[in-house]
Amino acid sequence: DAGVIQSPRHEVTEMGQEVTLRCKPISGHDYLFWYRQTMMRGLELLIYFNNNVPIDDSGMPEDRFSAKMPNASFSTLKIQPSEPRDSAVYFCASSLQGLNADTQYFGPGTRLTVL
Amino acid sequence: GESVGLHLPTLSVQEGDNSIINCAYSNSASDYFIWYKQESGKGPQFIIDIRSNMDKRQGQRVTVLLNKTVKHLSLQIAATQPGDSAVYFCAESNQAGTALIFGKGTTLSVSS
Repeated sequence: DAGVIQSPRHEVTEMGQEVTLRCKPISGHDYLFWYRQTMMRGLELLIYFNNNVPIDDSGMPEDRFSAKMPNASFSTLKIQPSEPRDSAVYFCASSLQGLNADTQYFGPGTRLTVL
Repeated sequence: GESVGLHLPTLSVQEGDNSIINCAYSNSASDYFIWYKQESGKGPQFIIDIRSNMDKRQGQRVTVLLNKTVKHLSLQIAATQPGDSAVYFCAESNQAGTALIFGKGTTLSVSS
């Protein structure tokens, strides 16, 4: 298995632009997670899905952020409009049965820079 | 230990030494804990986990110790190697048991 795949690996954009980050989870994993990592705040959970359904989006910072999972093999995290403070590394992770029964496998991340 | 500011705590060791990385968790109801390793430019990688009904768990060259009384978790790495250099995170499951809360991490630096 190729593991969790994320694209793009690097994204540089200007303030106000729309940014879409993409994730392909490991085949067969029922849970998908989006995280944001910054030096200031460490690794923060933004949202997670179970069987393509958003379960907890309490970590999404504000309405500018949205996430979708149209099918079991694809998810997007969108920021519109983007702001410089959104600059961070965004990780997608997937797991087989959630956290108490399994562990999460992380993708390589997307490094987002908003100028 | 856990960072409270901009800079991650750093542990510097010599190759071959044993390393101990500490973590204080926040929720006494947490029942699942994981240690992750994150190398530069990569995502976190699972190392070892432990459930709250255990005090100790061993893997290959790694041991996790859990002290629920003081809400303390530690990761011991035996015979540390340069390839162990990375940032190490502890994580605890939240009350719903379906999401992890991560600490900010500790940087381990191994010199030859």
